[in-house]
Amino acid sequence: QSVLTQPPSVSGAPGQRVTISCTGSNSNIGAGYDVHWYQQLPGTAPKLLIYGNFNRPSGVPDRFSGSKSGTSASLAITGLQAEDEADYYCQSYDSSLSGFYVFGGGTKLTVL
Amino acid sequence: QVQLVESGGGVVQPGRSLRLSCAASGFTFSSCGMHWVRQAPGKGLEWVTVISYDGSNTYYADSVKGRFTISRDNSKNTLYLQMNSLRAEDTAVYYCAKDGLTDGDPRRNWFDPWGQGTLVTVSS
Repeated sequence: QSVLTQPPSVSGAPGQRVTISCTGSNSNIGAGYDVHWYQQLPGTAPKLLIYGNFNRPSGVPDRFSGSKSGTSASLAITGLQAEDEADYYCQSYDSSLSGFYVFGGGTKLTVL
Repeated sequence: QVQLVESGGGVVQPGRSLRLSCAASGFTFSSCGMHWVRQAPGKGLEWVTVISYDGSNTYYADSVKGRFTISRDNSKNTLYLQMNSLRAEDTAVYYCAKDGLTDGDPRRNWFDPWGQGTLVTVSS
């Protein structure tokens, strides 16, 4: 069971907008720690998509955006494209005794 | 460009040891903290361990504490993960990743970039 909770799957048609939620607690996201997002295309290593809650690395399209509020964060993808089909993971820091860097369980995005 | 290449994975019996390596290039390795993150087959990502830029500080996930040791050789631009007393649940692809945050509070850190990963299978 992951410290950060994500929906197992989301789907959308090409051109549509989808959001992926990442729910934490007062020992991680709610404590003010930043949330970062990664995209993992099938058979490849994860790639940084969003850092520091809403910042995009160079080369990441502005169709991808991040936000954070309270104990949750969200990744939004607009203008959905077939190549966006991938697994998406959120990551933060957890200050509990057994915590350190923590991930969400991942969300599989299917482009219909 | 920044590149991380892992090696050393393979099939190993429970209770045995294995050492992974991660060769770094394209950046000043000796200035960056480095991590190992693993992914069991069909599962999500799990952070394993981190080492500071000079090797003076290391931290581990509870699941590997006391069994795994992270180290680095800055003269060789190489990161290592010594894995002892391996268990079936250690079966995973192991990725090395670079600190994304170059300065400031490490609790704000992210991982960028990642290597391609090396598969470790613990089985009799």
